[in-house]
Amino acid sequence: GAVVSQHPSRVICKSGTSVKIECRSLDFQATTMFWYRQFPKQSLMLMATSNEGSKATYEQGVEKDKFLINHASLTLSTLTVTSAHPEDSSFYICSALAGANIQYFGAGTRLSVL
Amino acid sequence: EDQVTQSPEALRLQEGESSSLNCSYTVSGLRGLFWYRQDPGKGPEFLFTLYSAGEEKEKERLKATLTKKESFLHITAPKPEDSATYLCAVRGAAGNKLTFGGGTRVLVKP
Repeated sequence: GAVVSQHPSRVICKSGTSVKIECRSLDFQATTMFWYRQFPKQSLMLMATSNEGSKATYEQGVEKDKFLINHASLTLSTLTVTSAHPEDSSFYICSALAGANIQYFGAGTRLSVL
Repeated sequence: EDQVTQSPEALRLQEGESSSLNCSYTVSGLRGLFWYRQDPGKGPEFLFTLYSAGEEKEKERLKATLTKKESFLHITAPKPEDSATYLCAVRGAAGNKLTFGGGTRVLVKP
């Protein structure tokens, strides 16, 4: 299957700082990538759809100024959590759409805000 | 609005004890039903895509089937390494988004 790399796998930061998470499709080009958030023992919650060369589409209730998404190339999307607070602590997962249909996921990033 | 419900929430099996996981869905214009496996602290791993009622797909001890209202993931003679959370998702007519169910946590004991 297609490979999606997500970095870093774990990050700990102080409250008020910003954190950037990278998502790369290693062996295919992805015009569309997705960012999810997952709470313990819960399913994936879609935050936003990232489209190469255009603005991201955010799901209802997700603050676009808080979660900045950039999809500057066909293989890279980034999620920046700005002015992070403890309530932003979570597991963030990206996926990339391969071809027309299958989403392949990264390994996830565990964010802990102190 | 697309909806996906998975049952049971959790399943404890003895090694070799076959079982089935259920995924019930409502969707406007199904453009794919997806099964993923997720291990703790990892991202979901793609297993299968099904597109139309009657379709079946197999991979090792796993077999996925699809009807117009639900999908089943059959686990035949499971091994401890099959322990994971299994996620079901649908893609509807509107856009590329997936709608996920809550998942079924499977624990296979030796």
